[in-house]
Amino acid sequence: GENVEQHPSTLSVQEGDSAVIKCTYSDSASNYFPWYKQELGKRPQLIIDIRSNVGEKKDQRIAVTLNKTAKHFSLHITETQPEDSAVYFCAAPSPSGGSYIPTFGRGTSLIVHP
Amino acid sequence: AAGVIQSPRHLIKEKRETATLKCYPIPRHDTVYWYQQGPGQDPQFLISFYEKMQSDKGSIPDRFSAQQFSDYHSELNMSSLELGDSALYFCASSQGTGDYGYTFGSGTRLTVV
Repeated sequence: GENVEQHPSTLSVQEGDSAVIKCTYSDSASNYFPWYKQELGKRPQLIIDIRSNVGEKKDQRIAVTLNKTAKHFSLHITETQPEDSAVYFCAAPSPSGGSYIPTFGRGTSLIVHP
Repeated sequence: AAGVIQSPRHLIKEKRETATLKCYPIPRHDTVYWYQQGPGQDPQFLISFYEKMQSDKGSIPDRFSAQQFSDYHSELNMSSLELGDSALYFCASSQGTGDYGYTFGSGTRLTVV
């Protein structure tokens, strides 16, 4: 099965700085890598995703990069704002019996100080 | 746009009681995943269904069972509840094998007292 490691577990930045969260995965067959943002007590919300045929994807202040050779993908948030404060989870689908089971990283608690 | 609907939003049960959580996937989504998320933890995969058949099983206790019905909604049945079962329970749905993304429901917060 898939093993997803996420770092750091906590990230504290000043408003306007950039934040980078990195995940590594083990299953080379994984081909879809989403990032979720979860605010306290709420559902994980998909914020950006990338497929294995693409190396980078950007959506305004958020970008994700993928290195399939090294089996890692990273979330980049630029010009951080206090409302970016949340827990961010990466996921990598683990092929299983013809379907894909999303395996999540342990989460990164991002704190953006005004 | 229609989202994944979970009910109830909150549930309080006593130890050894039974609880049933429901999940209604996005229309045309035929795959449902159940996750348990304890305080400060990542979502832990419990079980999934594809086309009304169980497709994979994770760390689901034997006291729990689940099924997917003909209209693709799913129910998670939890018996002999323990204090440690208190958590947020999310379901997510996808179309097909799930390599085109998953959408989460709002979750059910289960409190066992």
